Amino acid sequence: DGGITQSPKYLFRKEGQNVTLSCEQNLNHDAMYWYRQDPGQGLRLIYYSQIVNDFQKGDIAEGYSVSREKKESFPLTVTSAQKNPTAFYLCASRTSGGAPGYNEQFFGPGTRLTVL
Amino acid sequence: KNEVEQSPQNLTAQEGEFITINCSYSVGISALHWLQQHPGGGIVSLFMLSSGKKKHGRLIATINIQEKHSSLHITASHPRDSAVYICAAAPYNNNDMRFGAGTRLTVKP
Repeated sequence: DGGITQSPKYLFRKEGQNVTLSCEQNLNHDAMYWYRQDPGQGLRLIYYSQIVNDFQKGDIAEGYSVSREKKESFPLTVTSAQKNPTAFYLCASRTSGGAPGYNEQFFGPGTRLTVL
Repeated sequence: KNEVEQSPQNLTAQEGEFITINCSYSVGISALHWLQQHPGGGIVSLFMLSSGKKKHGRLIATINIQEKHSSLHITASHPRDSAVYICAAAPYNNNDMRFGAGTRLTVKP
């Protein structure tokens, strides 16, 4: 079945360590997104990529890095520079053709990162 | 002020009740999305609309573009409807979306 996978579902790390969250999609979507979700707040965009080998910063990119070497994969690295990394991280993808906003966005199951 | 505001923040209902969740947005949009997030965290898309009304089973979504307001209605609510419902606005000429903080719905049997 087509979809988005994120692994792992739960991740624990010690403060000061970098950690990479995986996101893979087999929907043949060009655009991929990383969001952060904190209690009581809406999803906030960290990074997005419209095409392979290209990505753009979102609203809260500081302390994060991404790569897009393959269409199917968009890993997110949470670096030690991120001051409050404990959060729920969601990956999403969407076709990029047509009018912006008219394409359904598909979400992965999320990764809950806890930094101890 | 957030670009997308939802109300109420939390909602508790008895099984069978009619539910309404409201969403107001301040940006010009090409589409408004309603999403459902279950306790496990995964998000699914319920509706995407740019005008009028859409219906899917017991769920109905409406939008008033002039007033920049959308509502999600659930008829004959059921405990399995318990989830967080999120409104998201897709601005013009932008592939990003702006998300509301979500409405946590609990339906009691």
